[in-house]
Amino acid sequence: DVVMTQSPLSLPVTLGQPASISCRSSQSLVYSDGNTYLNWFQQRPGQSPRRLIYKVSKRDSGVPDRFSGSGSGTEFTLKISRVEAEDVGIYYCMQGTYWLTFGQGTRLEIK
Amino acid sequence: EVQLVESGGGLVQPGRSLRLSCTASGFTFGDYAMSWFRQAPGKGLEWVSFIRRKAYGGTTEYAASVKGRFTISRDDSKSIAYLQMNSLKTEDTGVYYCAKDYGDCWGQGTLVTVSS
Repeated sequence: DVVMTQSPLSLPVTLGQPASISCRSSQSLVYSDGNTYLNWFQQRPGQSPRRLIYKVSKRDSGVPDRFSGSGSGTEFTLKISRVEAEDVGIYYCMQGTYWLTFGQGTRLEIK
Repeated sequence: EVQLVESGGGLVQPGRSLRLSCTASGFTFGDYAMSWFRQAPGKGLEWVSFIRRKAYGGTTEYAASVKGRFTISRDDSKSIAYLQMNSLKTEDTGVYYCAKDYGDCWGQGTLVTVSS
């Protein structure tokens, strides 16, 4: 099974400051079709998860451009350029190359 | 607008069965895979199962934790995906979410509690 490891697990951030979450996979997520199926989800308190990023760096419709994804192979990053109050929640990476596996989640809070 | 509405959750005793439904609207249901995920109380997200679209054979996959006990199915004529859960265990307790494709849009979830 592919293991996804996120860091940090807790991320206190000052409003307006940047934030970065790392996600590492136990094996390369490059699929046979050349795509890398790495997604990022946001789960606000009391809400269902919402996908923000797919295929490493493609933003879903309606996702603010302060969110960006990058990486390749086994190392991936979600960056928020300027954190806003509505960004509070838990962020998960998920690989979709070998079935579906989530990271443990990173709790973002306002300092 | 894509909408996914789960139903069928509730309190059930260990060893019993439950069937969840996911009613979809706002997209051409038959053109997409459908997935089920779950979240135990206070815990992270876990993939449960998915079913591919008919054009890809309608084949199914399961997480090891539910394989042999859960069965996913779909009725494209009604735009509904199902999750039949048998031999339920206390560790199956949680909120169950259905999602379009492999997670691009999620429902609000339905709570399943397995307890005696």
